[in-house]
Amino acid sequence: DTAVSQTPKYLVTQMGNDKSIKCEQNLGHDTMYWYKQDSKKFLKIMFSYNNKELIINETVPNRFSPKSPDKAHLNLHINSLELGDSAVYFCASSRVSGGARGDTQYFGPGTRLTVL
Amino acid sequence: GESVGLHLPTLSVQEGDNSIINCAYSNSASDYFIWYKQESGKGPQFIIDIRSNMDKRQGQRVTVLLNKTVKHLSLQIAATQPGDSAVYFCAESRTGTASKLTFGTGTRLQVTL
Repeated sequence: DTAVSQTPKYLVTQMGNDKSIKCEQNLGHDTMYWYKQDSKKFLKIMFSYNNKELIINETVPNRFSPKSPDKAHLNLHINSLELGDSAVYFCASSRVSGGARGDTQYFGPGTRLTVL
Repeated sequence: GESVGLHLPTLSVQEGDNSIINCAYSNSASDYFIWYKQESGKGPQFIIDIRSNMDKRQGQRVTVLLNKTVKHLSLQIAATQPGDSAVYFCAESRTGTASKLTFGTGTRLQVTL
């Protein structure tokens, strides 16, 4: 009965490669997110989609491209991977666009990306 | 600028004692606050939230206090247990910023036996 799932859990790759991380939620939520957590545990939002529409796009290199085939899935594709991309990437979802409305964001287990 | 910060990066508490984790925010327009718990190797897990029209909210063994005058938020955990060992994050958002949560840097809670 996993609520928010991500694959893979670990991803080790060489610089310059292209990779994708997949996220799925079975909560029936309308909004999904991608966060990046660095080595100091700092969490920062990257993207947010509401009903397959991009609503938040933080200052993220355009090598990162989110794709939402339907509202239950939000995948993250990364081109030309760099050493600095090494981090843990978390997917999250909320019932509607949250924030001040108080809609809780539920996080997936994370994908640890290591770029060599 | 925007910031959500925590006073103590690591907090050590004896089992059975109460824990208090603090958080400061800088933007007076912040109107929604959340506490998350992150265990090793897992994603952040929602603990409790509070809106700016409240100054206290209680859950099971946890209480969040909000002091808007000094822009301070705290999480109190009663009768701390070994299972409470984790990194705790506060996060905030502001009306008009849609679903964007800004996270603090995290406090590691260590529960000693």
